[in-house]
Amino acid sequence: DTGVSQDPRHKITKRGQNVTFRCDPISEHNRLYWYRQTLGQGPEFLTYFQNEAQLEKSRLLSDRFSAERPKGSFSTLEIQRTEQGDSAMYLCASSFGTGNHEQYFGPGTRLTVT
Amino acid sequence: AQSVTQPDIHITVSEGASLELRCNYSYGATPYLFWYVQSPGQGLQLLLKYFSGDTLVQGIKGFEAEFKRSQSSFNLRKPSVHWSDAAEYFCAVGANKLVFGAGTILRVKS
Repeated sequence: DTGVSQDPRHKITKRGQNVTFRCDPISEHNRLYWYRQTLGQGPEFLTYFQNEAQLEKSRLLSDRFSAERPKGSFSTLEIQRTEQGDSAMYLCASSFGTGNHEQYFGPGTRLTVT
Repeated sequence: AQSVTQPDIHITVSEGASLELRCNYSYGATPYLFWYVQSPGQGLQLLLKYFSGDTLVQGIKGFEAEFKRSQSSFNLRKPSVHWSDAAEYFCAVGANKLVFGAGTILRVKS
């Protein structure tokens, strides 16, 4: 399977703990995106990278959230001091080029904060 | 500000019947429009997209959508629904940053 992969698929953590998620985009896709989806809602944009550069961040991405894509390939999303409101599905997507806006999504990481 | 409205939260259709899911958008420029489908516990799969040109676009799984600039709409259609089409459907607008609607849950009754 050469699609977008995310790890882990599920994460249960206690409030106050830090968590890190990983996304591996489709090979050769230079753009990578993070979204958050809560129950009954559509995905909400968090941030995106072109190669290793983080080009845009949503105001949803508080200072407890940080995303990196150090070598322009995989990306990590870290949430520090998790809160119950962080419980959601975190989706990663990738696309190729700068004019092609087709985003291909991974299966997501389901985070539950207890 | 960009926004997407999907007026129907749930739709139930009989297997074999036609389907239309509504989507209205607000966007400052020529919109890039998408329909995605999400099955339970799964990520989103791209059904079709509109960037420019022919306003009737064909997608996968027998779906099509029509872009109507005057109505700011991009409705999804399928002439004959199959039980396997039961899922949640999302309309989205944007370029790098996609703005999604809240989704429409499709139920198919046999």
